Amino acid sequence: GQQLNQSPQSMFIQEGEDVSMNCTSSSIFNTWLWYKQEPGEGPVLLIALYKAGELTSNGRLTAQFGITRKDSFLNISASIPSDVGIYFCAGQLQGAQKLVFGQGTRLTINP
Amino acid sequence: DSGVTQTPKHLITATGQRVTLRCSPRSGDLSVYWYQQSLDQGLQFLIQYYNGEERAKGNILERFSAQQFPDLHSELNLSSLELGDSALYFCASSATGRTEQFFGPGTRLTVL
Repeated sequence: GQQLNQSPQSMFIQEGEDVSMNCTSSSIFNTWLWYKQEPGEGPVLLIALYKAGELTSNGRLTAQFGITRKDSFLNISASIPSDVGIYFCAGQLQGAQKLVFGQGTRLTINP
Repeated sequence: DSGVTQTPKHLITATGQRVTLRCSPRSGDLSVYWYQQSLDQGLQFLIQYYNGEERAKGNILERFSAQQFPDLHSELNLSSLELGDSALYFCASSATGRTEQFFGPGTRLTVL
């Protein structure tokens, strides 16, 4: 089936650092979503992107819908301990309704 | 709180048994999705229902089945359980015409 390549798989950073992660695919997507999952809980929607080139912010989080429609990026600025968790990208393919999820980026923050 | 509810929160059972997981979508959402997440793995799409009808199928085993009832709640039935079925099972819902899916808190299934 369709796959999203999400990288990096894990990140170990110091509190206050900025974080960048991305998802890429060989397929074209209509929508990109970014979720955060904390241990034992369900994913929580952070940001939704609908148009190529779109840049959207949610507090310290900023995500972009790639111009080629085959990728998306998520940046977290000035990380804090509560940013710890697994971040998933998800995309809706052209002509499809279901979402395809990346494998996640596990973020660990050293205080 | 996403507005999606799932019960039970935890379920422990033995191999060969059958269990039912329940999900209530957000108020007004007609679409329900089921996902499986094994330890440290991504989310694997199982099945989608829209207003009582099956809409899309993913990597769902034949031992698993689902349905959506007239009140829009959904149940995922897992039978002949194996050790490898131990996982978190999530339900999500979305509004008609919208891509954003909102996830419930999940059911953690442990098969011993």
